[in-house]
Amino acid sequence: AQSVTQLGSHVSVSEGALVLLRCNYSSSVPPYLFWYVQYPNQGLQLLLKYTTGATLVKGINGFEAEFKKSETSFHLTKPSAHMSDAAEYFCAVSSGGGADGLTFGKGTHLIIQP
Amino acid sequence: DAGVIQSPRHEVTEMGQEVTLRCKPISGHNSLFWYRQTMMRGLELLIYFNNNVPIDDSGMPEDRFSAKMPNASFSTLKIQPSEPRDSAVYFCASRGLAGDEQYFGPGTRLTVT
Repeated sequence: AQSVTQLGSHVSVSEGALVLLRCNYSSSVPPYLFWYVQYPNQGLQLLLKYTTGATLVKGINGFEAEFKKSETSFHLTKPSAHMSDAAEYFCAVSSGGGADGLTFGKGTHLIIQP
Repeated sequence: DAGVIQSPRHEVTEMGQEVTLRCKPISGHNSLFWYRQTMMRGLELLIYFNNNVPIDDSGMPEDRFSAKMPNASFSTLKIQPSEPRDSAVYFCASRGLAGDEQYFGPGTRLTVT
C-alpha cells in the first residue's frame, strides 16, 4: 500500500517570499512522485515529476522539488511567490513505475498575500 | 491537441436517477483513469483501464458504479441509482504508452439532490 501526507491544508505566504509545500510518502517499492496544481473549477495540471535519476527536479512556473529517500519526502519549493501561484497543490505517488493509478495527498491550498 | 474531453461539465440529477459521465482520452493514449474528488475524501482513484481492459476497480465504491471502455477513444462511468453522497467532481485522465504522467480532463461536477 502507498500513501501521501501533505502537511498543512493551508499555507499563506507574502508575494515575493519563498514557497515551501511539504509532502511525505510511503511506498513499498521505488516511487514515482508527482506534484499537480489545480486552479478553481479546473482540472489538474502537472507541475513536475520524479521517476529516476536526478533527485532535484525542476518544473513549470519556477517550481522545483527534491526527492529525499532517507526522509521519504518530496517537498515543493519556489524561491519567489507570485500572485498567480494561488491554487490547490497536490502531491501524488505511483508505485507501479507510473503504470498504475495515482494516490494523492489531501492537498494544500496556497494563499499569496499582497 | 484537444486534451482529455469530459462531458457533461455539470450534471444535476435527482436521487434514484441514472447518471452517465463520458470521457474521451488524448488520441494515442492507452491508459485511462477515473478519479473522484470530494471535500471529505480528497482525490480517489475509482478504476483504470489499460488497452481498454479494466485493470483495477478496487476503488469503485459500490455496485451502483460501473465503468466501460468500449474502444480506445471513449469511456463511460455510470451510477445507477444515484444518491446524494455521490455528489462530487469526477475526473478522467489518460496516459500514453511511453509516458508516466497522467493528463487530466476538466472534470464533471455532479450534484445529486
